[in-house]
Amino acid sequence: DTAVSQTPKYLVTQMGNDKSIKCEQNLGHDTMYWYKQDSKKFLKIMFSYNNKELIINETVPNRFSPKSPDKAHLNLHINSLELGDSAVYFCASSQPLHRGTEAFFGQGTRLTVV
Amino acid sequence: DAKTTQPPSMDCAEGRAANLPCNHSTISGNEYVYWYRQIHSQGPQYIIHGLKNNETNEMASLIITEDRKSSTLILPHATLRDTAVYYCIVSNTGKLIFGQGTTLQVKP
Repeated sequence: DTAVSQTPKYLVTQMGNDKSIKCEQNLGHDTMYWYKQDSKKFLKIMFSYNNKELIINETVPNRFSPKSPDKAHLNLHINSLELGDSAVYFCASSQPLHRGTEAFFGQGTRLTVV
Repeated sequence: DAKTTQPPSMDCAEGRAANLPCNHSTISGNEYVYWYRQIHSQGPQYIIHGLKNNETNEMASLIITEDRKSSTLILPHATLRDTAVYYCIVSNTGKLIFGQGTTLQVKP
């Protein structure tokens, strides 16, 4: 069983479209995250949810809207896609990190906006 | 969160120990030291973490200096599959801040 799974793995879409990426974890973790890795390979946190509540929002354009229907799922919806949104998006989950725990990452969704 | 400094790249011979250094001179008392790695374009993989004491697990050992201002990740017997970018992160908040990491190339 995959601990953190993302779908789709690849996503190619045109500018201006709206798309969603889904993430599910089966680890029973309370906290989930979205990270973005750009073409220069920098990994940056975008959002963090704890028990379905948003706790971290790292100055991300409001075209990006995370939604957590339950604590096992954290989906990322992106409106009006732009070329600069092309990146690999990673979902992760953990118990609260301030307790010194490990985070598990999904395999990523490679988004290409053309 | 404290910042970390790592060498951009290192080489290691297959079968030898790989010692990856990390400086975190501004670490605060309750911040953990985490190590993750990213193999090619896969998702980051947790390796090990520690607070004050040295730690060892099935993947690696973590040596933290007494003043906690630096640490070393040790892969005891590096294999070609250990070729990856290794990230040292210090944190006690709800997020991991990834720097540029160290690209470790294990050579036959």
